Amino acid sequence: NAGVTQTPKFQVLKTGQSMTLQCAQDMNHNSMYWYRQDPGMGLRLIYYSASEGTTDKGEVPNGYNVSRLNKREFSLRLESAAPSQTSVYFCASSEYSQHTDTQYFGPGTRLTVL
Amino acid sequence: KNEVEQSPQNLTAQEGEFITINCSYSVGISALHWLQQHPGGGIVSLFMLSSGKKKHGRLIATINIQEKHSSLHITASHPRDSAVYICAVRIQGAQKLVFGQGTRLTINP
Repeated sequence: NAGVTQTPKFQVLKTGQSMTLQCAQDMNHNSMYWYRQDPGMGLRLIYYSASEGTTDKGEVPNGYNVSRLNKREFSLRLESAAPSQTSVYFCASSEYSQHTDTQYFGPGTRLTVL
Repeated sequence: KNEVEQSPQNLTAQEGEFITINCSYSVGISALHWLQQHPGGGIVSLFMLSSGKKKHGRLIATINIQEKHSSLHITASHPRDSAVYICAVRIQGAQKLVFGQGTRLTINP
């Protein structure tokens, strides 16, 4: 099992360009998440999907859109990149229930916006 | 004020020392997580706690719900324990996690 995979690993964009970060999991989890990690700050939730067909905003959704394409895949789109979106992006998945929500993280995408 | 605060922010110790990392939170929670982020950036979940204590190898996590406080202990620390340790809480009634800023641990040989 690959777990959670993300593509690309690195990306450099110019201000105003768009791109989509891809995430896929092979653990049959219902829930998937997108986080960003900035120096000196904890992980912050951008969007999450509790189940296939649903998405909800997290703490920092502005400037991003998401698509839960199917149970396996959850993509994050930047429509018009800004330097403030320079960050490391992590995708995660979990089988959320009252008793467990251990999250499994992808390796991350390091994005630089010039 | 952050909902989840960790201390210390940075910790350097010698191999073999007993390590304690603290996490305090200010909201009602249904669970608390400890995660480890390796120097290469990968993040793995270590523990999920809703009460009491859990142990896995040399790692021990405790939580005091009344005091809104959790600790992560490492016994017989080793250089391979060098990493950032992250505390996260699941707020009551919500699916989302809120993360602390992390504690950077360095164990010198």
